[in-house]
Amino acid sequence: GAVVSQHPSWVICKSGTSVKIECRSLDFQATTMFWYRQFPKQSLMLMATSNEGSKATYEQGVEKDKFLINHASLTLSTLTVTSAHPEDSSFYICSARAGSGANVLTFGAGSRLTVL
Amino acid sequence: GESVGLHLPTLSVQEGDNSIINCAYSNSASDYFIWYKQESGKGPQFIIDIRSNMDKRQGQRVTVLLNKTVKHLSLQIAATQPGDSAVYFCAEIGRGSYIPTFGRGTSLIVHP
Repeated sequence: GAVVSQHPSWVICKSGTSVKIECRSLDFQATTMFWYRQFPKQSLMLMATSNEGSKATYEQGVEKDKFLINHASLTLSTLTVTSAHPEDSSFYICSARAGSGANVLTFGAGSRLTVL
Repeated sequence: GESVGLHLPTLSVQEGDNSIINCAYSNSASDYFIWYKQESGKGPQFIIDIRSNMDKRQGQRVTVLLNKTVKHLSLQIAATQPGDSAVYFCAEIGRGSYIPTFGRGTSLIVHP
């Protein structure tokens, strides 16, 4: 089946640094990928839609300059949390649609970011 | 509508019991619904789905019921096992879309 891989699975960084999270579709091409954010014991909130070869579309309230998204190929999208602060600590999950006929998104295993 | 980031309700059951997890969805125009299972530290996994033109769908040990009149969705798990312990989310998808909006989630704890 379709597999979405995220790296790293967890990362700890100092406040003010930037962190990059990768999302790869391993056995299919994804023109569109999605980034979700999840706080402890809460639901997943869609942050942005990542479009291959074009700018990402951000949900209302999500700072595009804080969360940089690059989708340079059909199998890779990256999320960079710039100048991270403790409030950016969260679980970041990406997902992709495995083919135009797929009704269901395939989710990655998530990346836990802790900002000290 | 948007899901609201509230703390998760918890359902505790004994191994072997049947579990029923409920979800209220917000958009009456949604025509596709999915239940996801999320284990600790992992991403959501697809369990079962149902279209708005159905009111019941069965899978292996799981059944989803849809009541469009009151915008309510439920997930029934038969003979619950410790491996079923996880957080369960319902998600709704609007007509013509494939992007899920996640509901509140319920933490299921299965005691051996």
